[in-house]
Amino acid sequence: SAVISQKPSRDICQRGTSLTIQCQVDSQVTMMFWYRQQPGQSLTLIATANQGSEATYESGFVIDKFPISRPNLTFSTLTVSNMSPEDSSIYLCSVVEQPEANTGELFFGEGSRLTVL
Amino acid sequence: RKEVEQDPGPFNVPEGATVAFNCTYSNSASQSFFWYRQDCRKEPKLLMSVYSSGNEDGRFTAQLNRASQYISLLIRDSKLSDSATYLCVVNKFNRGKFQFGAGTQVVVTP
Repeated sequence: SAVISQKPSRDICQRGTSLTIQCQVDSQVTMMFWYRQQPGQSLTLIATANQGSEATYESGFVIDKFPISRPNLTFSTLTVSNMSPEDSSIYLCSVVEQPEANTGELFFGEGSRLTVL
Repeated sequence: RKEVEQDPGPFNVPEGATVAFNCTYSNSASQSFFWYRQDCRKEPKLLMSVYSSGNEDGRFTAQLNRASQYISLLIRDSKLSDSATYLCVVNKFNRGKFQFGAGTQVVVTP
């Protein structure tokens, strides 16, 4: 199974600043996603990180606020820009190892816990 | 209406007892179904996939009812270590695009 490393694991930031979260996978994966999990809530998909092209954002999320890079098949970054306290959340990188299979499992990094003051 | 709905619980279960709960999904075109487990302050991890014929993994049994658009999870002989939030996950399309329920909290008590 894929091993996913995220950093930072947690951070406390001032409002108005930006934070970049890194996600490193130990194998090449086709599909990589960024999720957000706000306190007491379930996971919400922010975007699909596409290798070599712009990410595909879900409704309610925009590139200016959450720019994503994916320079290769093992690495991606998510930036949370111009942060406000409402951005306090856990941000999770995830990958699918076998997207061609209906039963492809979704693997998660340990998450980056962000607190915005 | 949410695409994937779960009873948030908590389900308080005596150790050794059986607990079962459901998850409903709204899109009849959904392709694949999973139960994930999430411990407090940890990332979700796959518990089991849910197959059309139903499947069992040790003390855990998952069922899929396509006609009524729900999946279920049953835990037998509950252990203290089963205490967690169980997330229902539906894959709406092939090749990704997973939809998560809000989770059902299970608390197993001695």
